[in-house]
Formats: sequence, structure tokens, C-alpha cells
Amino acid sequence: DAKTTQPPSMDCAEGRAANLPCNHSTISGNEYVYWYRQIHSQGPQYIIHGLKNNETNEMASLIITEDRKSSTLILPHATLRDTAVYYCIVRVEGGSQGNLIFGKGTKLSVKP
Amino acid sequence: DVKVTQSSRYLVKRTGEKVFLECVQDMDHENMFWYRQDPGLGLRLIYFSYDVKMKEKGDIPEGYSVSREKKERFSLILESASTNQTSMYLCASSASSWWSTDTQYFGPGTRLTVL
Repeated sequence: DAKTTQPPSMDCAEGRAANLPCNHSTISGNEYVYWYRQIHSQGPQYIIHGLKNNETNEMASLIITEDRKSSTLILPHATLRDTAVYYCIVRVEGGSQGNLIFGKGTKLSVKP
Repeated sequence: DVKVTQSSRYLVKRTGEKVFLECVQDMDHENMFWYRQDPGLGLRLIYFSYDVKMKEKGDIPEGYSVSREKKERFSLILESASTNQTSMYLCASSASSWWSTDTQYFGPGTRLTVL
């Protein structure tokens, strides 16, 4: 079962920041937070991941709370092409859990 | 950029046919994975491979087999397709030799329909 909780859907205006929350209250010390997204009828796309520090790349920023029980993915200037289902996943680094366990994700709709 | 390609985007087969799904990655990744994705069930791991000629069963290997003769190519085989194998099939690869540690990059998926 997925160890994360996300809102089922969110809307965002084009050009505005999209802030997608994720709760992972049972996260362990050696688990990373990963974000993927899946545009309709395509394979999942990696976005970003982190352990406890905030992370930023060309696609997004990841803000992880100090207690690591929740995080927020930020798309700074959402475009229509960012409409997708966004998945927040916690994974152990190392060990035998290689497969990704996707929950239901958040369906983000970016509107003109 | 990592590129993972799958041989077909859409495929229609008949019950009992042998089906081959091909996946190729161009980043010299050690690890490759086959998942299927079904509504309400999320991604489920079928098989994975962490080296040439090596394979490991995932969560739902029944009815499937795999082949990895070359590092860049990972094939999923449905020996005798059945209607309950109608699904979206996703291939992924990752770089780490310790297979569970690194980011997985996915192909575009193959939507297989078995009639």
C-alpha cells in the first residue's frame, strides 16, 4: 500500500504556482520522498526527490517539513502541459524495495 | 536525457497468442523493470533485471516471462495471452547497480488489448 496521502484533485491557473501537498506521517529515517507525474496515456515522468533538505531543479521545487511528515511540490509557473496526475512516493534507499508503489496521486488541472 | 523506448504504443492480440513487448534504454543503465498499470490498482511490478541475463520476479510474475540478452534491451513475454492481461505495460530503467536506490525512468507505455 502507498504510504502517502494526497488530495485527489487540484486546479491551478496558467502562469501561477502550483503547490501540491503530500502527507507521509509514517516516513522512516532512511526513506526518500520522490515525485513523479503521469500525463494521460504516457509513462510516469520523474520530477524530483529529496531526503530532508529542500531541493530544486529545472522542473520543480520540493519543500520537506522539518519533521519530514509532509512535503510540497511546487511548480513555479504552471503551464497547460503540466496538467497530469502527480504522485508522491516514499522509498527506502537500498534494501529490497526496488519497485515504485504509486498511490492515487493528485490530478492537477491547469486552466487558461 | 535518459531515453526509454517501447516497441509499440498500442497492441491488439488474441487470446492464446504469444506476445513480445520490447524495451530499449540508451543510458547504459544496469537495472530495468516491467510494470503493468490498471485503473484503481496503480503500478504493479512484474519482473526486473539488474544485469544482463539476470532476472527477478516482481509482485505479479504469473503468466509472464522476461529476457535480457543485452544490457540495453529488456523484453516482456506473454506466453499465452489472456484477456486479464489487457493493461498498460510500462518499462523503466535506473542507473544504480544496487538496483533499488536510483531514480527510475519510464518509457511511454504499451497499451495491450487481448481479445
